[in-house]
Amino acid sequence: GNSVTQMEGPVTLSEEAFLTINCTYTATGYPSLFWYVQYPGEGLQLLLKATKADDKGSNKGFEATYRKETTSFHLEKGSVQVSDSAVYFCALSEDSGGSNYKLTFGKGTLLTVNP
Amino acid sequence: KAGVTQTPRYLIKTRGQQVTLSCSPISGHRSVSWYQQTPGQGLQFLFEYFSETQRNKGNFPGRFSGRQFSNSRSEMNVSTLELGDSALYLCASSLNRQARERAFFGQGTRLTVV
Repeated sequence: GNSVTQMEGPVTLSEEAFLTINCTYTATGYPSLFWYVQYPGEGLQLLLKATKADDKGSNKGFEATYRKETTSFHLEKGSVQVSDSAVYFCALSEDSGGSNYKLTFGKGTLLTVNP
Repeated sequence: KAGVTQTPRYLIKTRGQQVTLSCSPISGHRSVSWYQQTPGQGLQFLFEYFSETQRNKGNFPGRFSGRQFSNSRSEMNVSTLELGDSALYLCASSLNRQARERAFFGQGTRLTVV
């Protein structure tokens, strides 16, 4: 079955530091890849996505590139802010004739950014 | 456009009871999925409904069930509650069932079983 592995953290950074959260996946076909973010007490919000190999998703300074050769979708941001403190989830969804529509999530990575 | 609405936000139930959670998807969205979030297991897929039919089911016991109405609103039911059912239950809606389609999540229902 499909699976997503991401660094679990927690990750603690100072403001303006560089962020990388690693994510690798296992899938039988050609999945779409997502990063979701969860702020305290809230549901998940889509941060960015990529739907085919070599696509780069970007939003709010965050980027991730769909690397089929390494089955990876690492999240990066050049300069984090205190407001980026949250839990980040890597996820995949795979087309299989419409019979298996669901998101498979990694365990989540808690990011804390200190001023 | 209103987001995904889940009610209630918080619930406390006693072991052995049953509970019903509600989810109203974004207007026009026809796919509704449910996920259980716990500190130990993370986010796990429960089931997905589309056009009032369950299309996909995760690896949960039969005590977990759901349904979808003609207006796409969905409910999930957990019977004979166990302590381990304490979790945040998240509902997500999507326009369709294509893998590339983004899912919009509600704020969740926090269920505590005592």
